[in-house]
Amino acid sequence: GENVEQHPSTLSVQEGDSAVIKCTYSDSASNYFPWYKQELGKRPQLIIDIRSNVGEKKDQRIAVTLNKTAKHFSLHITETQPEDSAVYFCAASGSNYQLIWGAGTKLIIKP
Amino acid sequence: DGGITQSPKYLFRKEGQNVTLSCEQNLNHDAMYWYRQDPGQGLRLIYYSQIVNDFQKGDIAEGYSVSREKKESFPLTVTSAQKNPTAFYLCASSIAPTGGQETQYFGPGTRLLVL
Repeated sequence: GENVEQHPSTLSVQEGDSAVIKCTYSDSASNYFPWYKQELGKRPQLIIDIRSNVGEKKDQRIAVTLNKTAKHFSLHITETQPEDSAVYFCAASGSNYQLIWGAGTKLIIKP
Repeated sequence: DGGITQSPKYLFRKEGQNVTLSCEQNLNHDAMYWYRQDPGQGLRLIYYSQIVNDFQKGDIAEGYSVSREKKESFPLTVTSAQKNPTAFYLCASSIAPTGGQETQYFGPGTRLLVL
């Protein structure tokens, strides 16, 4: 079936360093890949997304890369700050216009 | 996402009781979704609706029911058949996914607890 694997489940980085979260998807027909940030007790919020006709997209300190051949995509956060601490979810478009979600990565920024 | 509201923020259910969670959006979105999130876990799809008067089961629909009588409203009922309903329930909406999936915007969530 359709699935998205997300790694690592927990990532701890020093403030100012970079963080990378990776996701692998199974459905070769997937064409939309969003990333959401969820702070404790809050709703998930879209931080960046990419479509299959693009290989990379940047928005200030955040970037997403997509490798359709290998069926994986990654979130890159540079110059991490304390407010980046949260759980990050990746997703890939599935059949019936659903999103297939990764299990989430808890990002911890150490001062 | 400020155009999606959920109520109540907290809901307490007694054993054997049906409870209904409200989700309203003023974004003129065609598609709406209900997710369940257990502590420390990801999102699991309960039901979704792409158009008024039509909805489909997600991965964990058992024990839940929905209706979509109006474009802006997609209430979720947690029935007594759902034996472990304690979770954080999130509603989302998106524009009509015609050419592929579109961005989903989430409401603030309802936390359901069993007494």
